[in-house]
Order: sequence, then structure tokens, then C-alpha cells
Amino acid sequence: DTGVSQNPRHKITKRGQNVTFRCDPISEHNRLYWYRQTLGQGPEFLTYFQNEAQLEKSRLLSDRFSAERPKGSFSTLEIQRTEQGDSAMYLCASSFSMTVPNYGYTFGSGTRLTVV
Amino acid sequence: EDQVTQSPEALRLQEGESSSLNCSYTVSGLRGLFWYRQDPGKGPEFLFTLYSAGEEKEKERLKATLTKKESFLHITAPKPEDSATYLCAVQSGNTPLVFGKGTRLSVIA
Repeated sequence: DTGVSQNPRHKITKRGQNVTFRCDPISEHNRLYWYRQTLGQGPEFLTYFQNEAQLEKSRLLSDRFSAERPKGSFSTLEIQRTEQGDSAMYLCASSFSMTVPNYGYTFGSGTRLTVV
Repeated sequence: EDQVTQSPEALRLQEGESSSLNCSYTVSGLRGLFWYRQDPGKGPEFLFTLYSAGEEKEKERLKATLTKKESFLHITAPKPEDSATYLCAVQSGNTPLVFGKGTRLSVIA
């Protein structure tokens, strides 16, 4: 297993267009998380899945954002009608649901979105 | 609501000049406090998990400590390759990690 994989690494889109990102987690991990990070800020939680069930969504996740994790494997994050304020690094992470010791999350390298 | 505050925002050190980074937190029932390292353009990389006050963890030139209100990341005799952003995060119960804004560390040769 090569860790958490995110594609694409970079995406430039025009305002108003739709974009979709993909995340392939570590195969043994049953939890998958999406975070957003802007310059000079820490990662902000967006949503997470346990297997295929979406268990929590942040207030940051407007109705233009939708995430799926079909069959509990890879996940996609779609942003509709992109706005310039959506420009950020979108990070995916995965973990086991409950482990001791707790190693936290394994993050991917992120998808950098630029809305022009 | 869980909160994490990191200080300073940025820190510039000469190679070999030891220092500490601070992470203050408020959380309802700490399950773990996490330190991550993040290099530019990359995702955070796990460093340590601390579970209870008094606990300490070490890795090479890094040492993390935990009290009931804050955690410190001590960097002893840093090298230029230690330059990165260091992120602190907390978890209460089974909720998603809550991150601070990070400390940008620059180590000058």
C-alpha cells in the first residue's frame, strides 16, 4: 500500500464550473476524511465517512459541496458552481475508527484548487 | 467546541538554536493530542500522539510534552531540514481532529 492517494494534484477552473476530486485511502482503513486548508491556516474539517456512510458534515460544507464514498473504498468530493473563495488545498485522510495506540490520520498530498 | 491555539505563528532559528512551540487547547474529554509536520505543498505527516498530562514522546531532535491545558514541541539543536509548519490537533471522543493554524519554523544554516 502506497498511502493515501489524491487526484488531481492541481486543478485550475473558471468560476462557475464544477470540479470533482478523488481520494483513494489506505485499503485497511474504514474511515475517510476531507479537510480544506487555505494559506497560513490549519486544515479545517469538511466531512467524514465510516465505510460508505457519511457520518458528519461541517457547517463549512455548503450545498454546493457533495461527497460520496461508494462501496466504502475511494471517495469523491464535488464542488458545483465554483467560487473564488473555494480556492484552497483539499486534503483527504484515512484512519481506523478506533485504535490504541491512536496514530491519528494518514493524509494524502492534497489537491490544490485555483478558481479564476 | 474544541479549540486549538498555536504560538508563535512563525519562528526563525539559527541552526543549533533550541526552542519550543506551544499548543494551547480546550477540549471536552481529550482522547488524544497530535503533532504533525507539514512541508510546503504536501499533506501533514504524523509525528506524535499524547494521551494524558505528564506524557512525553521523543523522535530525533523533537520532544513533545503534554499538560492539562497545553502541549509543547521542543526542538533541540535544529537543522535546516527541520524547517516546516508544525501542526497541533486534538480529538475528543470519536470526533474528527481539530487543528490549530500551525507554527512555521525556519532554521537558518
